[in-house]
Amino acid sequence: GQSLEQPSEVTAVEGAIVQINCTYQTSGFYGLSWYQQHDGGAPTFLSYNGLDGLEETGRFSSFLSRSDSYGYLLLQELQMKDSASYFCAVEGQLTFGSGTQLTVLP
Amino acid sequence: KAGVTQTPRYLIKTRGQQVTLSCSPISGHRSVSWYQQTPGQGLQFLFEYFSETQRNKGNFPGRFSGRQFSNSRSEMNVSTLELGDSALYLCASSLGTGTSYEQYFGPGTRLTVT
Repeated sequence: GQSLEQPSEVTAVEGAIVQINCTYQTSGFYGLSWYQQHDGGAPTFLSYNGLDGLEETGRFSSFLSRSDSYGYLLLQELQMKDSASYFCAVEGQLTFGSGTQLTVLP
Repeated sequence: KAGVTQTPRYLIKTRGQQVTLSCSPISGHRSVSWYQQTPGQGLQFLFEYFSETQRNKGNFPGRFSGRQFSNSRSEMNVSTLELGDSALYLCASSLGTGTSYEQYFGPGTRLTVT
């Protein structure tokens, strides 16, 4: 089967940097995606890693190591609006992690 | 371009009934996926349709079914509803099926089973 592990909660202060890790076990792997979901809202796409390495999109970066079955989402210069749930997802099997609730404190 | 739309947004049903949810993808998108989201289980994949064909299916009982029409609109049906089916049902559309295609989610249908 497929499974993804990510921390359930992370707390950080405004302006800080936070890293959300994701480890996965899948029978077929094509890439790792990250989604953001605010309370009451729909998930929105943040980034995708199909190859090893770092992808940068503004304040957000995502990293993948296929040999370690591991990836992370890095959020820099945290803002209050970044408080949300973050999900990693294995696209080949359309499997999502259980989500990490990020709380940004003033 | 209009986003993914889902109808109805809220629904209350009783145990044993059946329900049909509808999803209209972004124009030009041919893949539609359905997910169940609950506080304890996160996002659980139900199924994916591409060009009217079911491409992938998650680990849900046969009471959950779906279909896709030639205009890419999709419906999901749940028969013999159980209390545990209460959840937010999300659909997502993408240009294609597989790896790097970004999914665009609709606002979801909140189903409550009493």
